Amino acid sequence: AQSVTQPDIHITVSEGASLELRCNYSYGATPYLFWYVQSPGQGLQLLLKYFSGDTLVQGIKGFEAEFKRSQSSFNLRKPSVHWSDAAEYFCAGASSGGSYIPTFGRGTSLIVHP
Amino acid sequence: EADIYQTPRYLVIGTGKKITLECSQTMGHDKMYWYQQDPGMELHLIHYSYGVNSTEKGDLSSESTVSRIRTEHFPLTLESARPSHTSQYLCASSPGQDNSPLHFGNGTRLTVT
Repeated sequence: AQSVTQPDIHITVSEGASLELRCNYSYGATPYLFWYVQSPGQGLQLLLKYFSGDTLVQGIKGFEAEFKRSQSSFNLRKPSVHWSDAAEYFCAGASSGGSYIPTFGRGTSLIVHP
Repeated sequence: EADIYQTPRYLVIGTGKKITLECSQTMGHDKMYWYQQDPGMELHLIHYSYGVNSTEKGDLSSESTVSRIRTEHFPLTLESARPSHTSQYLCASSPGQDNSPLHFGNGTRLTVT
């Protein structure tokens, strides 16, 4: 089945530390991949997306993600976390050339310690 | 600035009541979606639409129904609310292109007592 998996339910980092959130995908062909962020009481906001080409994609708020076909991964990174980054992060994927109905991972909750 | 609006933001209602969750978007997007979100769980697609008069059921079995009479409006209706319907409901939209990301509303938090 086509899916994305986020293995970490919670991640705790100190402010100023680097961050990596994991996402693995399972699709027959290279999927469209996305990272979204959700602050409490809000909807999901797009951070970045990958369709093809350069495997390192830059997003908003200083985030980046790297597509690794060999590992079926699309991990989200940030070199220095700010307290305002505390939120829920969702990885999503959609089949290219298919019905394009995005599927989402269960999310990773990021906790930032001062 | 939100271009997709969901009302109400919060709703507490008794079992057996009929409810409609509203969703409207001003971007002219063809595709619209309803997702159900529970803590620590994947977002589950419950309905989607490719355009006016097009509606499809998603992966998650749902007792709700939707309609798409106008491009900008995609309401979700529960004919008889039950406690198992307690959840957060997220509406989203996207343009017609396959690889476009979704734009989300702020959600409706539904509690059925």
